[in-house]
Parts: sequence; structure tokens; C-alpha cells
Amino acid sequence: QVQLQESGPGLVKPSETLSLTCTVSGGSISGYSWSWIRQPPEKGLEWIGNIDYSGSTNYNPSLKSRVAMSVDTAKNQFSLTLSSVSAADTAVYYCARRAPSGSWYRDWGQGTLVTVSS
Amino acid sequence: SYELTQPLSVSVALGQTARITCGGDNIGSNDVHWYQQKPGQAPVLVIYRDNNRPSGIPERFSGSHSGNTATLTISRAQAGDEADFYCHLWDGSTVVFGGGTKLTVL
Repeated sequence: QVQLQESGPGLVKPSETLSLTCTVSGGSISGYSWSWIRQPPEKGLEWIGNIDYSGSTNYNPSLKSRVAMSVDTAKNQFSLTLSSVSAADTAVYYCARRAPSGSWYRDWGQGTLVTVSS
Repeated sequence: SYELTQPLSVSVALGQTARITCGGDNIGSNDVHWYQQKPGQAPVLVIYRDNNRPSGIPERFSGSHSGNTATLTISRAQAGDEADFYCHLWDGSTVVFGGGTKLTVL
């Protein structure tokens, strides 16, 4: 079964850029669509965006102006950058794989907590 | 933007049936998926495409939809079922999650 692992700084200063990477193991990144989803403390899930193996993206309209995603098929990784962060961006960030034949997420990373604070 | 509405909390007696609803405009025209999330853990898919169970999910979990409501049903509730549950769909351009329902087993 495919495994996903998020990595990146756990602390980001306000107004700076958050950068995370998801490393995929046990399977190829090619042929699939991948997502970033976040969850603020004690709150629900929020979709950030999708990227497929060719680099085609869909972003949450509420975050679109600050989000960029990229994929590196050679490294079997995909990445997220979120610019101009504030305390409201403090959350556990998950990467996940969309099912090839539908829109559900069976495979998730364990999540990584990113705190925005000076 | 499309919204999914879930009750904040649902309680069920041990061994009884819990039903968690997810409301949205014409929700039946979309595939609805459900996730269970226990504290400190990533969400786990329990129902996909309205009423399908991934391997490893007990038959006690089932899904349905009618009109503007999708429902996750948990039969013979166990203490280990206590968790937050989220519904989810793709509306053609964005991913939408419900706000989540906390299930308490009494």
C-alpha cells in the first residue's frame, strides 16, 4: 500500500511562506491526483488544493491567491507553498491521494502540525 | 460555493444504531464519501461513493442518500466507534467537506 509522509518546518513566522513536501513511497506518483488538506486545532477539515502528476492544479478559491503546488515525479514528491501566512493558517497539514476512479481519499499522510507564530 | 451541513454531535447507546446526516443541495447528484477521525490521527475512509465500504471497514458501517441528505449509519455501535465523522464530495471543481460530527457512544 502506498505511504505518504509530510515534511517541512513546524514553525513559520507571520507574513512568511509555509513550504511542505509530501513524499510518496510504495507506489508511483504518476497516474494519480494528489491533495493537500488542513485542519486547524479543534476544527474541521479544509481542502487546500489538488495537483495531478502532470502538474495540473485546482485550488480552494478562498486560498487561491496564496497557494502554489508542484510535483516532482523524479523524486516521487509533491509540494505546497502558502504565502503571507497568519495565525489562522496554524493547522495540521495532510497530504492525500485521490482514488484513481473517483474523488475519495483512501491514502493519507499522518499529518504535520505547522504553527504560525513570531 | 457548495456547502455540506452536519450536526455537531450525535449520541448513541452502546449496541444501538447511530445515524449521522450530511445535508447539501441536490446532494444525490454527487458521490458522497465518509471519513472517521479519532483524536491525533489522520482521517480514515469508511464509506466511498455513497454506500461502498473499503476493505477492512466493518459491515456495521453503511451509507445512503435521499433527496438533499446523505446518511452514514453505524449499526451495533461500539465504544471504539467514538470519533469525529466527516462527509465529503467533489462538486466538479472543488472538494467540499462537511463541518464534522462528533459521535459519542453512551
